[in-house]
Amino acid sequence: KQEVTQIPAALSVPEGENLVLNCSFTDSAIYNLQWFRQDPGKGLTSLLLIQSSQREQTSGRLNASLDKSSGRSTLYIAASQPGDSATYLCAVSRGNQFYFGTGTSLTVIP
Amino acid sequence: SAVISQKPSRDICQRGTSLTIQCQVDSQVTMMFWYRQQPGQSLTLIATANQGSEATYESGFVIDKFPISRPNLTFSTLTVSNMSPEDSSIYLCSVAGTGSGNTIYFGEGSWLTVV
Repeated sequence: KQEVTQIPAALSVPEGENLVLNCSFTDSAIYNLQWFRQDPGKGLTSLLLIQSSQREQTSGRLNASLDKSSGRSTLYIAASQPGDSATYLCAVSRGNQFYFGTGTSLTVIP
Repeated sequence: SAVISQKPSRDICQRGTSLTIQCQVDSQVTMMFWYRQQPGQSLTLIATANQGSEATYESGFVIDKFPISRPNLTFSTLTVSNMSPEDSSIYLCSVAGTGSGNTIYFGEGSWLTVV
């Protein structure tokens, strides 16, 4: 069974710092990997989708990479802002099955 | 992409009562998913709802506790029955889009607190 792990579970950084969130998965036979943002008590907002044939995707200050062979993905956030404070989850999919990580809770300190 | 409207967004419920959560999608979709996210936890799939057939429940979830309706291709409901404090969670409706590599989209979630 696919297992998705995110490290660290929590991260606190000063405003302006660049940071990296990590996501690892045990089964490399995936269709794609998706990164989400979740604000407290809310649903998930999709940030980036990397298809299995791709290596990375970029959106604004966010860059996500995918290394299927090693079962890893990273989400890079440049020049962090207090508004980036949220929980970030990754999910891998195969068919209509989606497997979610436990999330990294990010706090950006003004 | 898909826009998903979910309600209620938040509610405080009395023990022993039932609450129905509604999920409306702005386009027709074959499969809709219901997830539960307990405090501090990741998402757990409750069931997959296909239009015109019975929902498929994951291990640990039963129809009597979480009845689901799927009357058409844009709407679904999840009822949490006979609630206890352990049911306090965020309940999330989602759909899988096929237009861009099997992306999954979520509603805003329904945050239920059982007292």
